[in-house]
Amino acid sequence: GAVVSQHPSWVICKSGTSVKIECRSLDFQATTMFWYRQFPKQSLMLMATSNEGSKATYEQGVEKDKFLINHASLTLSTLTVTSAHPEDSSFYICSARSLNTYEQYFGPGTRLTVT
Amino acid sequence: GESVGLHLPTLSVQEGDNSIINCAYSNSASDYFIWYKQESGKGPQFIIDIRSNMDKRQGQRVTVLLNKTVKHLSLQIAATQPGDSAVYFCAENNGKGSGGSNYKLTFGKGTLLTVNP
Repeated sequence: GAVVSQHPSWVICKSGTSVKIECRSLDFQATTMFWYRQFPKQSLMLMATSNEGSKATYEQGVEKDKFLINHASLTLSTLTVTSAHPEDSSFYICSARSLNTYEQYFGPGTRLTVT
Repeated sequence: GESVGLHLPTLSVQEGDNSIINCAYSNSASDYFIWYKQESGKGPQFIIDIRSNMDKRQGQRVTVLLNKTVKHLSLQIAATQPGDSAVYFCAENNGKGSGGSNYKLTFGKGTLLTVNP
């Protein structure tokens, strides 16, 4: 149980284009989903918190107009990197939690490379 | 504050030895702590958690110790195996914020564990 998937697992895009990453909770309802970014040999940095049906809460320094988050259902959240640049190349990881639990279940991550 | 580093601390052990991975957390208000294991190119995998009203919790081959006085957390792995080789992260939750933000985690910098056969 408690499986979270991400799609795609890796993506290469050209500078200036937009990329959408999906995060799905497969066997539970995720009231909250979190999006993280991880650079090589570094820790996970929280980008934003999204609650189903409401606007995402972004961490300081994360541009909400560049990283669009939609949490339209209890099993799906999407992160769209708009006008991607090479410095956006990173490993993007989502996690999900169900109501009244602390535990977060992590997805397998999406490797984004912007050329 | 957040503990994100530009280089990863490393720990190298022999197969069969016990491993101890340490973490200094930053927020004295944090009330929930988790250890995650991350293999290369994968998402973090839950290992064990502990609440602030406890100082020790044991799982299968793993033990977490919490010292709130010095804001220190440790993960002990018994009889370390090659499959334990990975980066280990501690994470803390301080329960502040509203709604889902109440559950957000702050991750430590991580420790790379290498198990030599």
